[in-house]
Formats: sequence, C-alpha cells, structure tokens
Amino acid sequence: QSVLTQPPSASGTPGQRVTISCSGSSSNIGSNTVNWYQQLPGTAPKLLIYSNNQRPSGVPDRFSGSKSGTSASLAISGLQSEDEADYYCATWDDSLNGPVFGGGTKLTVL
Amino acid sequence: QVQLQESGPGLVKPSETLSLTCTVSGGSISSYYWSWIRQPPGKGLEWIGYIYYSGSTKHNPSLKSRVTISVDTSKNQFSLKLSSVTAADTAVYYCARDNFDSSGYYIADWGQGTLVTVSS
Repeated sequence: QSVLTQPPSASGTPGQRVTISCSGSSSNIGSNTVNWYQQLPGTAPKLLIYSNNQRPSGVPDRFSGSKSGTSASLAISGLQSEDEADYYCATWDDSLNGPVFGGGTKLTVL
Repeated sequence: QVQLQESGPGLVKPSETLSLTCTVSGGSISSYYWSWIRQPPGKGLEWIGYIYYSGSTKHNPSLKSRVTISVDTSKNQFSLKLSSVTAADTAVYYCARDNFDSSGYYIADWGQGTLVTVSS
C-alpha cells in the first residue's frame, strides 16, 4: 500500500489532454513540494516535474504539474504515443523523514 | 548530470545478505545525498534509505534494522547491504542522487537499476 494514492491506469488518444491525480496528507504533499517521474517500459524512472510545476531541461512543455492542499496532478497535453509509460508522484514525508511515492499510473495511448 | 551504475550479484539466497555498490561518475560524491530505491517486479517504487557524503544515514523503518548504507568518497562509491533477505526482497534496485535545495526534495539522477532475485 503506497503512501500517496494514484489511479492505477489512465488512457487517451493522440492529441488529447490527460490528467493524473495524486493524493496524500498533511505530513507529505500538504507540507512539501511534489515531483513526478516518468518510467518508460524497461527503463529507470526519469525526473519529469519537480517543485510542483517545474520542468527539468529537455522535458517538453506538454507536461505540467500543479498542487493544491494535499493533492497534486500531472497534466499531459497533445498526447503522443511515446508518452505511454508509468508515472509516479513523489514527495518528502515529514513523519517518515524520507521520500514517499505513489503506486504509479500506467498511461496507455489508444 | 552525474552517471550512476549499480553492481553486485543478481542472485542471493534466502537469509543471506544482499550487497550492492553504486559507482558515481561525471561528478563528485561529495556535497550530495545518495539514495537506494527498489521496485519489485510489476510493482511501484520503495525508498530504502539515503546517505550523505559525510556518512550520516537514514533508512526506511519498514525495513527495520536490516539496512546498512555506507560511502567511500575515495572511490566515489556508496553501497547497500540488506540482511536476512527473503523472496519479498526480489526487486530492481536503483541508486540515485538526491537533491535538497530551495526547490525542495527530488531525485535528480537515477542509475539504470539492477535486478536482484532472492532464491535458493
């Protein structure tokens, strides 16, 4: 059972906009910034969004993040086939004094 | 951006100790925090623990006292030992570089991961 809650799956057609939610609590999302990682099949996770809504260099602006209270979301606009991957939200947890992850959302591009 | 590479046995017997090393290249291990994270087959990510280059550590309480993380700055390496392993410890193990700054905490760089199977 993951500390952060994500839907197990999401889907969309090319060009569509999809959002993935991430729910936590006051000890994690409620008091810390949220990050998102993209894991393509058979590869290591890659930082996609940090500090709630910041994109590392090289990440397309089709990817955006937001946070409100104890929840966060990742939005992908102009969906492309290469976006098919697992997406994980993560943040620092003050009770654990370490990072916690969501269970991951498998995005399928139909 | 640094590069990280995990190394160690891919097969460990139950009740024995899993040992992995992460070699950091393209940058110094000093001045950063370094983590171990694992992913059981078909499942999500679990933080194991982190170490600062000075040697201070923190590990996930869920793993109780089975975890030991150490650093060798002279070799630009850090290591993981997980004792008394069971089949539940079968996973891909990743080493990673942590970032703590005004932007908050995030994992900046990941190794490619190494699959460790616990089986007799």
